[in-house]
Amino acid sequence: AQSVTQLGSHVSVSEGALVLLRCNYSSSVPPYLFWYVQYPNQGLQLLLKYTTGATLVKGINGFEAEFKKSETSFHLTKPSAHMSDAAEYFCAVSESNAGNMLTFGGGTRLMVKP
Amino acid sequence: EAGVTQFPSHSVIEKGQTVTLRCDPISGHDNLYWYRRVMGKEIKFLLHFVKESKQDESGMPNNRFLAERTGGTYSTLKVQPAELEDSGVYFCASSQVAGLNYGYTFGSGTRLTVV
Repeated sequence: AQSVTQLGSHVSVSEGALVLLRCNYSSSVPPYLFWYVQYPNQGLQLLLKYTTGATLVKGINGFEAEFKKSETSFHLTKPSAHMSDAAEYFCAVSESNAGNMLTFGGGTRLMVKP
Repeated sequence: EAGVTQFPSHSVIEKGQTVTLRCDPISGHDNLYWYRRVMGKEIKFLLHFVKESKQDESGMPNNRFLAERTGGTYSTLKVQPAELEDSGVYFCASSQVAGLNYGYTFGSGTRLTVV
């Protein structure tokens, strides 16, 4: 069975500082990995995804994530935080041979201080 | 193109009552999914429709939950009777092509509170 762990339910950074949101997964087969963001009163928006190919994937709003198979990780980073990045971020995994179900982590709420 | 629409956005009901949530997927999207996030927990899969057929309902918690998708367009999720532990946010998503490498689009969710 697949699972996702997001370390830190709340992360606070200063504006302009590096954003690092951690995600570790477990999967018995090659995974598909996703990061979603939820802004207040909005739906889940796909930030980026890894399916196959290049392990460093770039997403919207300057975010990127690197798939590290040896570490079973898919951490999300952004070099410089902006106030508008304050939101809740969700890491999710799906097993590549298991159809359409996503398994989510518990979410990390990112706060950006001025 | 209009996104995935869910209503109501909020619902407060008493324990034992019935509530029906509705999801309108993006036009032309055959695949429709329901997820929910119970307070303080992870977002969890409930079920997946392909057109009007239930492809996977392995995440439905119990028989108090009934999902339908008549005509393969909008979907409803009925909770009858509602219990306190049903409180949470219910998300709907849709995709044109099955398979997660294509991604899917989520709605804003319905926040259900059972008191």
